[in-house]
Amino acid sequence: SQTIHQWPATLVQPVGSPLSLECTVEGTSNPNLYWYRQAAGRGLQLLFYSVGIGQISSEVPQNLSASRPQDRQFILSSKKLLLSDSGFYLCACPRDSYNEQFFGPGTRLTVL
Amino acid sequence: KQEVTQIPAALSVPEGENLVLNCSFTDSAIYNLQWFRQDPGKGLTSLLLIQSSQREQTSGRLNASLDKSSGRSTLYIAASQPGDSATYLCAVRLQGGKLIFGQGTELSVKP
Repeated sequence: SQTIHQWPATLVQPVGSPLSLECTVEGTSNPNLYWYRQAAGRGLQLLFYSVGIGQISSEVPQNLSASRPQDRQFILSSKKLLLSDSGFYLCACPRDSYNEQFFGPGTRLTVL
Repeated sequence: KQEVTQIPAALSVPEGENLVLNCSFTDSAIYNLQWFRQDPGKGLTSLLLIQSSQREQTSGRLNASLDKSSGRSTLYIAASQPGDSATYLCAVRLQGGKLIFGQGTELSVKP
């Protein structure tokens, strides 16, 4: 079965600092991978998705970027964080052909 | 543009009650619908997945229904327990693979 790991679990960063969040997946190969953000009191917003190595689609224009250097690794980055980047970041991938979406444990980011 | 709405936003019930959470969506062209549970500060746990051709799915005390033509889904929780307290989210998957989420219903089950 699939397992999604996210690192770090929590992060406090000053405005203007860089960001790198990592997501790794076990138990599957060539998965579609997704980054979502959940801001306080709001629903989940899809940020990026990837169908393969080096293939990234952006859903929302912003100061974040994503990369997929390996088949089961998905990275979310920023060169300069904004206060509005605070939130709960979740990585997800579908389970096989059922397309049941599974989520990682998330990273809580606070930008001060 | 697909929009997903969940009503109510919050619900408090005494232990043992049966309850229904509602989810509505504006475009019936969906691939499937999924219900999730989210505990505070945690990730999402998948509860039930209903394919667009299905009417309902059951897992233990949970039953989810789907009426695609009317753009509605319900999550029925039987004999609620304090451990059921969490935020429940529904999401529809579009044909292109994107998931659109509702804002969630925050459920509190009082002992």
